[in-house]
Amino acid sequence: KAGVTQTPRYLIKTRGQQVTLSCSPISGHRSVSWYQQTPGQGLQFLFEYFSETQRNKGNFPGRFSGRQFSNSRSEMNVSTLELGDSALYLCASSRYQSAGETQYFGPGTRLLVL
Amino acid sequence: AQSVAQPEDQVNVAEGNPLTVKCTYSVSGNPYLFWYVQYPNRGLQFLLKYITGDNLVKGSYGFEAEFNKSQTSFHLKKPSALVSDSALYFCAVRDREYGNKLVFGAGTILRVKS
Repeated sequence: KAGVTQTPRYLIKTRGQQVTLSCSPISGHRSVSWYQQTPGQGLQFLFEYFSETQRNKGNFPGRFSGRQFSNSRSEMNVSTLELGDSALYLCASSRYQSAGETQYFGPGTRLLVL
Repeated sequence: AQSVAQPEDQVNVAEGNPLTVKCTYSVSGNPYLFWYVQYPNRGLQFLLKYITGDNLVKGSYGFEAEFNKSQTSFHLKKPSALVSDSALYFCAVRDREYGNKLVFGAGTILRVKS
């Protein structure tokens, strides 16, 4: 079974631009979560989607948004990029939205903002 | 709020020796605990989880973890370390007040020397 895939793997943008990252979950998984990983803040939760609905949102500004499609694929968007948005963005999927479910992570998209 | 702490930034161990990576948690209610490993320029790989049941949990690649409720700990262990185990290890707890959200520790770098 194929794992979680994320595209693109690497991105370079400049301040003020916007970016869209894509995540395809494991087949049959309906829950998708996004995390940001930086050296200073570690791994931080961005948001979670289940059945095309945002169920949870982390403490990030409104510039960070996302959505989920009917096939469970998800995208996240960051508008008006800032230098501090440079990070590894990780997507994770699980079958359901329950506490005992294991989240499986993709390889991440590394975003560099210049 | 749920939290985990990984008290050691780095753990050094000789190949063939047992290894322990420490994790303590703070949760309200019963904890759902996870260990992940991250290799350079890769996403997180799931190792094991504790939901309920036996305090000793066995996972992938020969790793196991011991859940200790009285000490609120969930230490990761392996009887005989390999050089290939060198990586960044994360302990995480499910924040059940926020759906599927995982709260991660800061991570521990494991270095196994031959």
